[in-house]
Amino acid sequence: SAVISQKPSRDICQRGTSLTIQCQVDSQVTMMFWYRQQPGQSLTLIATANQGSEATYESGFVIDKFPISRPNLTFSTLTVSNMSPEDSSIYLCSVWEQGNTIYFGEGSWLTVV
Amino acid sequence: GQNIDQPTEMTATEGAIVQINCTYQTSGFNGLFWYQQHAGEAPTFLSYNVLDGLEEKGRFSSFLSRSKGYSYLLLKELQMKDSASYLCAVREERGNMLTFGGGTRLMVKP
Repeated sequence: SAVISQKPSRDICQRGTSLTIQCQVDSQVTMMFWYRQQPGQSLTLIATANQGSEATYESGFVIDKFPISRPNLTFSTLTVSNMSPEDSSIYLCSVWEQGNTIYFGEGSWLTVV
Repeated sequence: GQNIDQPTEMTATEGAIVQINCTYQTSGFNGLFWYQQHAGEAPTFLSYNVLDGLEEKGRFSSFLSRSKGYSYLLLKELQMKDSASYLCAVREERGNMLTFGGGTRLMVKP
């Protein structure tokens, strides 16, 4: 299976600042996704990261708040902009592999103070 | 859209068998996943079902009935380390993204 690395693994951020999370995969993957998991809740899809074009956002998520880049088939970034305490969550990168398996990175635990 | 239901919490005894149910109502369906998530960790893949029937993997088995919109995860010979949240997720037809249920927190007691 693909090895998915996320940075940072944890961070404490000031209100109003922005943070960029990186996701690096050790092999080329067709599809990459970003999910959010708020405290005590399940996972919610933010967007599909499309290689070479704008990400496809789910309802309730917008590009201005969560800009996403995917310059190639092994790397993507998610930025959480103008953070508020409500953005305190785990942010997870996910990839789809041939063989119908979807894997997650280790997650980035963000706390906004 | 998708509506996915699973029990919030379950408790079982070490060495026993537990079944975690998941029901779904979807506008499209392209398979169902089960993930395990320990506290403070990311979800890890357990199983994937796209056809009706039972898939067995060691102590864990997963069952799917598409006509009933129903799946279950069966854990045998429970161990203390099986205490975790178990997430049911449906893969949509329009892509490979997942819609998750609320998760079932399983507590295994001695």
